[in-house]
Amino acid sequence: AQSVTQLGSHVSVSEGALVLLRCNYSSSVPPYLFWYVQYPNQGLQLLLKYTTGATLVKGINGFEAEFKKSETSFHLTKPSAHMSDAAEYFCAVSEGGYSTLTFGKGTMLLVSP
Amino acid sequence: DVKVTQSSRYLVKRTGEKVFLECVQDMDHENMFWYRQDPGLGLRLIYFSYDVKMKEKGDIPEGYSVSREKKERFSLILESASTNQTSMYLCASSSHNALAGGTDTQYFGPGTRLTVL
Repeated sequence: AQSVTQLGSHVSVSEGALVLLRCNYSSSVPPYLFWYVQYPNQGLQLLLKYTTGATLVKGINGFEAEFKKSETSFHLTKPSAHMSDAAEYFCAVSEGGYSTLTFGKGTMLLVSP
Repeated sequence: DVKVTQSSRYLVKRTGEKVFLECVQDMDHENMFWYRQDPGLGLRLIYFSYDVKMKEKGDIPEGYSVSREKKERFSLILESASTNQTSMYLCASSSHNALAGGTDTQYFGPGTRLTVL
């Protein structure tokens, strides 16, 4: 069975600081990994995804994530936070085929001036 | 752009009422999903469908049913609403992309915030 753990329900950073949101997964087969963002009162929007190939994945709004198989991790980073990055972020895993997505519990990113 | 629409942004119902939540997608996607989102619990899958008239139970199907009569429309039904079904409900759709190992991006609607009094 697949599962996702997001470390930290809330992460606070200052504007301009590095953003690091942690995601660890478990999967019995090579996983497909996703990061979604949810702005207040909106649905989820895809930030980036890893399916196969290059392990460093670049997404929208300057975010990127690196798939590390040995660490079963897929942490999300951004070099410099903007106020507009304040939102809730969800990591998700799938085992492919007709497997469904399993989501983590989410991490709320707070950005202070 | 893919568009997933949900019939209501906010809904208030009374205990025992039958509630219909409608979801429509315009990208000819095969797969459609219903989730509920609660603070601290993330998204939990209620039901999903890989094709018209097909449905599969997700992780928390109790108290819910679904209907998919047309490819673009997926309805979630609360047969007799209860207060513990107060939640945000999110619909999503995706295509079945064999090149991506059968897993493609899920596109989400804006959500329906349901309150059951």
